[in-house]
Parts: sequence; structure tokens; C-alpha cells
Amino acid sequence: SQELEQSPQSLIVQEGKNLTINCTSSKTLYGLYWYKQKYGEGLIFLMMLQKGGEEKSHEKITAKLDEKKQQSSLHITASQPSHAGIYLCGAGEDTTSGTYKYIFGTGTRLKVLA
Amino acid sequence: GAVVSQHPSWVICKSGTSVKIECRSLDFQATTMFWYRQFPKQSLMLMATSNEGSKATYEQGVEKDKFLINHASLTLSTLTVTSAHPEDSSFYICSARTGQGAYNEQFFGPGTRLTVL
Repeated sequence: SQELEQSPQSLIVQEGKNLTINCTSSKTLYGLYWYKQKYGEGLIFLMMLQKGGEEKSHEKITAKLDEKKQQSSLHITASQPSHAGIYLCGAGEDTTSGTYKYIFGTGTRLKVLA
Repeated sequence: GAVVSQHPSWVICKSGTSVKIECRSLDFQATTMFWYRQFPKQSLMLMATSNEGSKATYEQGVEKDKFLINHASLTLSTLTVTSAHPEDSSFYICSARTGQGAYNEQFFGPGTRLTVL
């Protein structure tokens, strides 16, 4: 079955610094979602990528999906303490048994020092 | 956007008791609902997938008899943690999906924090 591996597992950066989080899939992605979360709270949808080479931006966050559609990166420019949290990539797959399932990446914990 | 609610938002129970968590799609019909659990500092792990009117499909390592899932209608799925123990303490999130296809969007509930004493 599909697996989503994120790197790094955790990240501590100084406020104002740029950072990148990666999500690598074991299979071709047909839609890749990025979320932000704090443990014990709900998910905040950031953006969705579908096409190979696609890039989307929202405020200071940019996400890209590579041409082969097996890797995505999330880039934060000039990080702020409000960016702190857990970043998760998510994707769905149609399994060989004909069912659909939606899984998350291993997660990246971001801490931004003021 | 579509809204998914969960109830309760948090629950504390004694070891050995059962706890039911509800997941509702408020303004759409969900053909498929998913249940996830999350431990501190970890990602969300898929527990099971439920389709309305049929038995849930559990992920490997998830005990069917312990985590009972019922998807009785197109707007409601319930997760019952039977004979809960402290190791079941976790954050449980459900999600709902409206249709078919890889691009069909998922909508997530706000989660339920379960603490078993």
C-alpha cells in the first residue's frame, strides 16, 4: 500500500528564516494535500496539488508537486511563530481490493523561535 | 465548505468502560467516512474506513472487536471504544468523503480527545 514519508521529522528555526518540508510517496500521487495541525486540534487545510509540476502559494507558504508526482515540497518564507505546528501531507489511493483509503504522511513538527 | 462535526470534543472515562464517538456530516451526504487516531508528537494513523450500510474495513493491527464502527446513515458514523484502557487515550479524528475518485475532497472533523483513567 502507499506510504508517505516526510522529512525532516522536526524542525526548529529562528523567526524570519525560510524552511522546506518534503513529502515523498511510494506510489504516484493523484492528489496531494497539505495540512497544518496542533496536537489535540483539528486540521487546517493549506492547499491541494494535482498536476505534475504544479505550484501553489498562499501567503508565505508555497507548495510544489514534482513532475513525476511522487514528491511534494512545502516552503515557508520568512517564518513566524504563528507557523509553528505539525505539518502533514495527505493523499488518497484506490487499493487493489477496489476500496479507497486516505492516509497521512509521517508529519513534521515545526517550532519557530521568536 | 462542507462541515463535519464530532461529538464529544473530549471525554474522560474509567478503565473498562465503553465510549462512543459520533461523526456527522452536517450539510452533505458522506459515502465514505474514515477514522484516525493520533498520539502526541505523531501523525494521524488510519484506523478504518467505513461505507454507509456495509462493514468497516480495518487497517492492519487495529482490533475490530475493540473499535466498533457503525456507518448507519449517509451522515453519521460512530466509533465505539469498548472496554477502554489507558493506552487507548488518544486524539480521534474522523473525515468524510462525498463521492468517488482520487480527487474527491475529504472533510475533517475537529477531533475528540479521549482520556482513559
